[in-house]
Amino acid sequence: LAKTTQPISMDSYEGQEVNITCSHNNIATNDYITWYQQFPSQGPRFIIQGYKTKVTNEVASLFIPADRKSSTLSLPRVSLSDTAVYYCLVGLPGRDDKIIFGKGTRLHILP
Amino acid sequence: NAGVTQTPKFRVLKTGQSMTLLCAQDMNHEYMYWYRQDPGMGLRLIHYSVGEGTTAKGEVPDGYNVSRLKKQNFLLGLESAAPSQTSVYFCASSYRGQGHGYTFGSGTRLTVV
Repeated sequence: LAKTTQPISMDSYEGQEVNITCSHNNIATNDYITWYQQFPSQGPRFIIQGYKTKVTNEVASLFIPADRKSSTLSLPRVSLSDTAVYYCLVGLPGRDDKIIFGKGTRLHILP
Repeated sequence: NAGVTQTPKFRVLKTGQSMTLLCAQDMNHEYMYWYRQDPGMGLRLIHYSVGEGTTAKGEVPDGYNVSRLKKQNFLLGLESAAPSQTSVYFCASSYRGQGHGYTFGSGTRLTVV
């Protein structure tokens, strides 16, 4: 299973666009990239999933370059409520039995 | 739909006591998982199941047992609790394939004294 590397923490200000990059150099051909968000005292929540190029939903965008060795989660115009831990995972639930969560990126939004 | 429901939400155990954590999902997911999360750490997989009647070890299985007698339920047991098992436990389930991620429960906070 592909290992991922993310920054431990990031700070940003309300209203800014935040980009969190994840490295996954040994991603396999059939692997998908999925991002989760976790608030304190809650379980992680699915944000977005992609395979290549760009995926956008109502919450975020996911940019994946052609070599797929990294990916960037983009959160537009963040607010204080976006303060959370963000996890990048590579693989596919249901195909990869035991995808491992890393420590994630702790995002702190400042007023 | 309730999604993934974990019971209890909080529990305090004395060292050596046993208990069972219950996870129930109503999404007809094949896969279910138990994770633990310690302060400042990511989630670590304890055990998982790929279908009714199956279980398998994850990253940190020692001291835990699991059972999946029904597709919708996944039980995590602690036979003899230790202070090192103080943690927040999350259950998750997933469907197979593209476009689907994990759905997590709200967690069980367990303290072993």
